[in-house]
Amino acid sequence: QVQLVESGGGLVKPGGSLRLSCVASGFTFSDYYMNWIRQTPGKGLEWISYISGNGDGEKYADSVKGRFIISRDNAKKSLYLQMNSLRPDDTAVYYCATTAALDYWGQGTLVSVSS
Amino acid sequence: DIVMTQIPVSLSVTPGQPASMSCKSSQSLLHRDGKTYLSWFLQRPGQSPQLLIYEVSKRFSGVPDRFSGSGSGTDFTLKISRVEAEDVGLYYCMHSLRLPLTFGGGTKVEIK
Repeated sequence: QVQLVESGGGLVKPGGSLRLSCVASGFTFSDYYMNWIRQTPGKGLEWISYISGNGDGEKYADSVKGRFIISRDNAKKSLYLQMNSLRPDDTAVYYCATTAALDYWGQGTLVSVSS
Repeated sequence: DIVMTQIPVSLSVTPGQPASMSCKSSQSLLHRDGKTYLSWFLQRPGQSPQLLIYEVSKRFSGVPDRFSGSGSGTDFTLKISRVEAEDVGLYYCMHSLRLPLTFGGGTKVEIK
């Protein structure tokens, strides 16, 4: 069955960096584009980035453009999110999810940005 | 960006009774390919969201047939024919017409 497992979250100071990972299993990873979505109590669910199956196309929400970089390693069935210049309002649970329909989600990883 | 608005904010339902919730988009979600890109998700307490319905009315794999979606253009409805205890949680609608994907604020379903 499809499984997505995120990791890499934690506590980081404003201006710091963090790299999230999402390891996939149960499907042909390279066939599907992948997304990162985050959730906060205040702003709810927010789509933040997607990357195409072969990695040659990516898009970002305006709120993270220029600070976050999405990437993937199909050989390792892994998705990544490099988060730079972190701000307190980036505090959220971050999920990876498959395809445009977001048909499968991981369990999420918590990122806290605080001094 | 397309704004998604859900009502009601919360719903208290007796087990075995029906429930209905609404989602409105600020623009039509009908794509030129003829499909309408509106999905519904359920987030149970302590869990990640899970896809229930996509393209307005198509149930995702394994979703019970007591869940049904309807609507067109900018107005959509999710119905649960007979609510069960496991249906408790937050229900979100989302459009995937174009980027950025955006979500509604959610409808919280509780059991009476």
